[in-house]
Amino acid sequence: QSVLTQPSSVSGAPGQRVTISCTGSSSNIGAGYDVHWYQQVPGTAPKLLIWGNANRPSGVPDRFSASKSGTSASLAITGLQAEDEADYYCQSYDSSLSGSWVFGGGTKLTVL
Amino acid sequence: QVTLRESGPALLKPTETLTLTCTVSGFSLKTGGMCVSWIRQSPGKALEWLALIDWDDKKYYTTSQKTRLTISRDTTKNQVVLTMTNMDPVDTATYYCTRMSMVQGIFRWFDPWGQGTLVTVSP
Repeated sequence: QSVLTQPSSVSGAPGQRVTISCTGSSSNIGAGYDVHWYQQVPGTAPKLLIWGNANRPSGVPDRFSASKSGTSASLAITGLQAEDEADYYCQSYDSSLSGSWVFGGGTKLTVL
Repeated sequence: QVTLRESGPALLKPTETLTLTCTVSGFSLKTGGMCVSWIRQSPGKALEWLALIDWDDKKYYTTSQKTRLTISRDTTKNQVVLTMTNMDPVDTATYYCTRMSMVQGIFRWFDPWGQGTLVTVSP
């Protein structure tokens, strides 16, 4: 059971828009800790996709955007492309217990 | 260019101790704000943060595995080492090392990541 909750899967046709939610609590996202997003193509290491809630590293297309509000965050992908098919993870910091970095359970994006 | 590379055994037996090494390049482990973390991913499962060591040799561990984990560094070799005792088949996973920066007192994000190393625990 992950501290951050994501849908297990989402899908969309090429060109469409999809969103992936990430729900936390008052000890992580709701406490003001930043949310970061990673993309993991099967068989490869995760790659930073979004940092600091809504910022794209250089090289990440502007088709990817993200936001945060309250105890949740979301990732949006517009103009879906076949190469976007991957697993997506949100990540934050949790201050409960002794504190730790936490991830969502991951969302498998299928491009139909 | 910042890179991290994991190395260690591919196969262990139950109860054995795992020792993984992360060799970094492109930055110094002693530079203020530089941290290295270990994160694992069981087959088909989510990412799980395990441990972090910062530039001042301060160490952080996940509460659930704290008694089994030790993270250390050798700055002369640019290496971070993770040991995990009493390995079990449920510890079968790909283990990644990754860099995190602390800026203005705030831990940032994990970037970049090593390619990962698959560790299988089997009798």
